[in-house]
Amino acid sequence: GDSVTQMEGPVTLSEEAFLTINCTYTATGYPSLFWYVQYPGEGLQLLLKATKADDKGSNKGFEATYRKETTSFHLEKGSVQVSDSAVYFCALSFGNEKLTFGTGTRLTIIP
Amino acid sequence: NAGVTQTPKFRVLKTGQSMTLLCAQDMNHEYMYWYRQDPGMGLRLIHYSVGEGTTAKGEVPDGYNVSRLKKQNFLLGLESAAPSQTSVYFCASSWAGVSFHNEQFFGPGTRLTVL
Repeated sequence: GDSVTQMEGPVTLSEEAFLTINCTYTATGYPSLFWYVQYPGEGLQLLLKATKADDKGSNKGFEATYRKETTSFHLEKGSVQVSDSAVYFCALSFGNEKLTFGTGTRLTIIP
Repeated sequence: NAGVTQTPKFRVLKTGQSMTLLCAQDMNHEYMYWYRQDPGMGLRLIHYSVGEGTTAKGEVPDGYNVSRLKKQNFLLGLESAAPSQTSVYFCASSWAGVSFHNEQFFGPGTRLTVL
């Protein structure tokens, strides 16, 4: 079946460091790909998405590019802030009723 | 718009007790979902609904029941709570149709402890 594999955390970085959180997927076909973010004590929020190969999703300084060749959707940010501390989830969907999540990566940014 | 709301925010039950979690959305979404979130396991789908009056099983449905009597509400019931059901429960909703890519909107969660 479909699955999403995320870089295991936790990840701890200093403020202004470069961030990469790896995400790869296994699926038959070409799903839509998402990154969701969960801030402490809150529900998940959509951070960005890409719906076809080579699309780049971006939001709040975060970017991810849909790479069909490597079945990947890695999340990047050039300069992280303390406010970026959260849990990040990669997910895929074929536009039906199912959304398949990775296990999440906890990110902590220290000042 | 309130988006997706969940009631209650916290609850403590004793083993064997029953309870109902309420999810409401004001976005006129067709699809609604219940997930549970446990440490190191991400989100797992319990049940979902593709429209008023419909329900379907997800990945971990045992011990839970659901109902979708009105389009805007999705109820999750625990008939006889067990300690293994201690978790954080999230409700979500989305528009129907492939063109919306199943982008889901989440509620703030309910933290349930079963003693």
